[in-house]
Amino acid sequence: ETGVTQSPTHLIKTRGQQVTLRCSSQSGHNTVSWYQQALGQGPQFIFQYYREEENGRGNFPPRFSGLQFPNYSSELNVNALELDDSALYLCASSSPTGGIENEQFFGPGTRLTVL
Amino acid sequence: DQQVKQNSPSLSVQEGRISILNCDYTNSMFDYFLWYKKYPAEGPTFLISISSIKDKNEDGRFTVFLNKSAKHLSLHIVPSQPGDSAVYFCAASARRGGSNYKLTFGKGTLLTVNP
Repeated sequence: ETGVTQSPTHLIKTRGQQVTLRCSSQSGHNTVSWYQQALGQGPQFIFQYYREEENGRGNFPPRFSGLQFPNYSSELNVNALELDDSALYLCASSSPTGGIENEQFFGPGTRLTVL
Repeated sequence: DQQVKQNSPSLSVQEGRISILNCDYTNSMFDYFLWYKKYPAEGPTFLISISSIKDKNEDGRFTVFLNKSAKHLSLHIVPSQPGDSAVYFCAASARRGGSNYKLTFGKGTLLTVNP
């Protein structure tokens, strides 16, 4: 069973640029959630995708957008990067079928630094 | 407004003793609670969860207790082992259709287990 994978591991961008982060969900999972973890904070929910549709969104501006593909992998896109976007971006996959698989399983994250 | 609070940034215990990590929440809509542990350079790993209809859930060395009236939960680790040293996050969810939707995390507690 393959776990959640994310790419790239690290990324450095400058203010105003755009970035795309990628996530492959765990085998059998059809739901992907994205979180932002700033330094010293817990992860904050950005949005969730279920069967290629956005299934809910946290308190993030529209310049944070996402996609989910038919194979359930997902992208997080951030436009017009700001210094405060520097954080660890975590992807979590789950499957709403009940039981332990209902839990969200996280990838290792992408560390984004905005200069 | 922090809806999930972990008031102890760090905790240090001796190997073999009990570790108790605490978490408080303010949103009465939360009906499912989870604990994740995180090692450096890795994503959070699901540890144990509890539904609001229960007051205790046990899995090996890990037990979570929920006090709904006090809006408080705790994670007990007995006996503590050096490999348990990590950041522990408390998370809460208001489930939709039986599935975890947005997870709201605390800021985490760094547990250090000394040999």
